[in-house]
Amino acid sequence: GAVVSQHPSRVICKSGTSVKIECRSLDFQATTMFWYRQFPKQSLMLMATSNEGSKATYEQGVEKDKFLINHASLTLSTLTVTSAHPEDSSFYICSAWTGSGNTIYFGEGSWLTVV
Amino acid sequence: AQSVTQPDIHITVSEGASLELRCNYSYGATPYLFWYVQSPGQGLQLLLKYFSGDTLVQGIKGFEAEFKRSQSSFNLRKPSVHWSDAAEYFCAVYGGATNKLIFGTGTLLAVQP
Repeated sequence: GAVVSQHPSRVICKSGTSVKIECRSLDFQATTMFWYRQFPKQSLMLMATSNEGSKATYEQGVEKDKFLINHASLTLSTLTVTSAHPEDSSFYICSAWTGSGNTIYFGEGSWLTVV
Repeated sequence: AQSVTQPDIHITVSEGASLELRCNYSYGATPYLFWYVQSPGQGLQLLLKYFSGDTLVQGIKGFEAEFKRSQSSFNLRKPSVHWSDAAEYFCAVYGGATNKLIFGTGTLLAVQP
């Protein structure tokens, strides 16, 4: 079945540095991918919708310059957290819309810890 | 505006008992509806989905959900709960016009032996 792979699953970075998280659709082409942030014991908050070949659509309150999203191909979207700070520590999870399959699958998520 | 409400934050049921998790949505047209399950520290697993057609949909692990347009609801049910069903359950709504997948706040299911 359709699989979405997210990498890295866990990352620790120093405050002020940038970190990139990749989201890949392994056996289907994803024209649309979604990026979420989840705090402990809370729901998934949509950060942005990423469409292949165009600029991502960010939700209100999400800093575009801090959370850079690139969807350069139909199988890869990346989220780069720039100048990370401890408050950016969270669980980030992506999902991909299969389009023809009419299903949205999720990656395994990435735990980001900024120290 | 597009929104999802899961009224029950936490539910406890006995193993073998039936289960119903509530989900209500707000959207101008018929949305795509999903139920996902998440175990602690893990990603999300799709249980079932509704796009059109039969309003009663069957999913994995013995779950089913019924879309009721008049009530703007998509409640998840299982006739007999197993201890392994303990997890967080999320209802999600995708709107074609908005191109957004929005999640409810989740319902944490605990299963008593």
